Amino acid sequence: DTEVTQTPKHLVMGMTNKKSLKCEQHMGHRAMYWYKQKAKKPPELMFVYSYEKLSINESVPSRFSPECPNSSLLNLHLHALQPEDSALYLCASSQDRTGGWNEQFFGPGTRLTVL
Amino acid sequence: ELKVEQNPLFLSMQEGKNYTIYCNYSTTSDRLYWYRQDPGKSLESLFVLLSNGAVKQEGRLMASLDTKARLSTLHITAAVHDLSATYFCAVEETSGSRLTFGEGTQLTVNP
Repeated sequence: DTEVTQTPKHLVMGMTNKKSLKCEQHMGHRAMYWYKQKAKKPPELMFVYSYEKLSINESVPSRFSPECPNSSLLNLHLHALQPEDSALYLCASSQDRTGGWNEQFFGPGTRLTVL
Repeated sequence: ELKVEQNPLFLSMQEGKNYTIYCNYSTTSDRLYWYRQDPGKSLESLFVLLSNGAVKQEGRLMASLDTKARLSTLHITAAVHDLSATYFCAVEETSGSRLTFGEGTQLTVNP
């Protein structure tokens, strides 16, 4: 299985709502990533989990809260978002070869709209 | 800080023509990836380039890597409409698995 899955595909939420994005992979990868992508821009890295531990947080606002319950699952909890947070949220996974290469495989994304 | 520059950012081609997209990066790395993104979709992995002089080909696309020049190219041969998409190069830092993306090249192939 070479697939990364994400749910939901689309999400519309108000600024006072709490919601979660989910990501799953069954490739035995030990690194998982959250990216935010605005239209016509490259993906921006938000968080990296390595062996279920948060290894990179790109100074993301606290209204985004990542969680890695196990090596196959990655969640992104959303609370009190702003309209400018509307974007495509991409999850990716890779092997975590120290000193080696790590091709990232991307999920289909969640299109988030904040009203 | 690793910087990755792609050019051109926009490319409009006629079907059947050839063209090259360039990806320059600022620090030493021998791990470079090319991705394709269709509108509203996710990123699809095209090529993984892991050494100086690496060349990979798939259909009408060929990618190469020159680590000494810190340059990768994505060459399109005899373009067809189905190749219309945005193409990103991404460089992996040798210190970890972080990817730095170029700004992307939006390719339109016209009949």
